[in-house]
Amino acid sequence: ETGVTQTPRHLVMGMTNKKSLKCEQHLGHNAMYWYKQSAKKPLELMFVYNFKEQTENNSVPSRFSPECPNSSHLFLHLHTLQPEDSALYLCASSETGANTEAFFGQGTRLTVV
Amino acid sequence: GDSVTQMEGPVTLSEEAFLTINCTYTATGYPSLFWYVQYPGEGLQLLLKATKADDKGSNKGFEATYRKETTSFHLEKGSVQVSDSAVYFCALSSPWDTGRRALTFGSGTRLQVQP
Repeated sequence: ETGVTQTPRHLVMGMTNKKSLKCEQHLGHNAMYWYKQSAKKPLELMFVYNFKEQTENNSVPSRFSPECPNSSHLFLHLHTLQPEDSALYLCASSETGANTEAFFGQGTRLTVV
Repeated sequence: GDSVTQMEGPVTLSEEAFLTINCTYTATGYPSLFWYVQYPGEGLQLLLKATKADDKGSNKGFEATYRKETTSFHLEKGSVQVSDSAVYFCALSSPWDTGRRALTFGSGTRLQVQP
């Protein structure tokens, strides 16, 4: 039990579908993150939220749309994805002070067909 | 900007061998340093951390020492087990006044331990 829960664990979607990934943290953190992990590539930071406000968007295509309704929940809405978007999507949370580590969920394995 | 460089893998060792995975970093100021481990099909788990120069982080037989003079944080274990097979990520947390809030990760090093 990591304290960060992601659902679903696996998702297969067509390129015209709309789906959402969900992340929930029970650690009382105020910062949440989405990362993309593709085979043979480094971990890519996608979005950062602090106190429900988006503070970083690392040039992520608009077909990925994050939502943070409160400090405990983070969503990633997906639409019109491409096969190259297939990857493991990891959610993380942390405290907002200095020298703090991030806690990760188990990830959602996304396959776009 | 901040960056972390790790040795490329895979690293293949026999059980009970000594492990070193090199990690060097570039950062403004005095970052905190971390090692994370990712087992197959799982997310990343914090393995150990160090928050200031000369600190030694340790956990589950793994150790790493924060070396400011060489900007390094190499991961070591004296005797690896098959269950240590995983991908290991070195990461840094930028000082608070830089404004960057997310961790910066290295590219990961896959460790394969053979019986």
